[in-house]
Amino acid sequence: TQLLEQSPQFLSIQEGENLTVYCNSSSVFSSLQWYRQEPGEGPVLLVTVVTGGEVKKLKRLTFQFGDARKDSSLHITAAQPGDTGLYLCASNSGGSNYKLTFGKGTLLTVNP
Amino acid sequence: DAGVIQSPRHEVTEMGQEVTLRCKPISGHNSLFWYRQTMMRGLELLIYFNNNVPIDDSGMPEDRFSAKMPNASFSTLKIQPSEPRDSAVYFCASSPRQGAFYNEQFFGPGTRLTVL
Repeated sequence: TQLLEQSPQFLSIQEGENLTVYCNSSSVFSSLQWYRQEPGEGPVLLVTVVTGGEVKKLKRLTFQFGDARKDSSLHITAAQPGDTGLYLCASNSGGSNYKLTFGKGTLLTVNP
Repeated sequence: DAGVIQSPRHEVTEMGQEVTLRCKPISGHNSLFWYRQTMMRGLELLIYFNNNVPIDDSGMPEDRFSAKMPNASFSTLKIQPSEPRDSAVYFCASSPRQGAFYNEQFFGPGTRLTVL
């Protein structure tokens, strides 16, 4: 089973600051997904990246997939309190086309 | 469209009691997943159904856990007897297809289970 390491584990910043969180593995990802989980809710898919070197933007969020497809990053510009939540990366496990392995996540708090 | 519906949202029970968690997937989705989330272990897949058939139950911790999907619109996860270490948030998720190179999973709001 592919292990996903996310860093940092916790991040607390002020509104307006920029931040980057990371997802790494010793194995190659077939694809990688980023989810955001708000308190008391289930994870919600933000983006799926498939191609090495791929960059996707979702408003103030920029997702990057490493060239070797073993790492990914999520950058948030001008963070807002509404960005607060647990950011999870997930990847297909062991060649499965249904089984996702999740990292433990980065808990982001954006203070007003 | 309604999302994945789970009930109850919160359950507090005593050790040894039977607990049943319920899930209604999104209409038209043919894959259903049960997950457990804890601080220590993160989000773990317990069991996966495709077209109402259990495909992978390798994540089910032990015989005290069982899951059923009698039809395309309903699934249950049962714990009997429950133990304090079962305390966690249990999520149900559904997905519209199997066989895609990657899949998007839609999660319910979860059931927070506390076993005293």
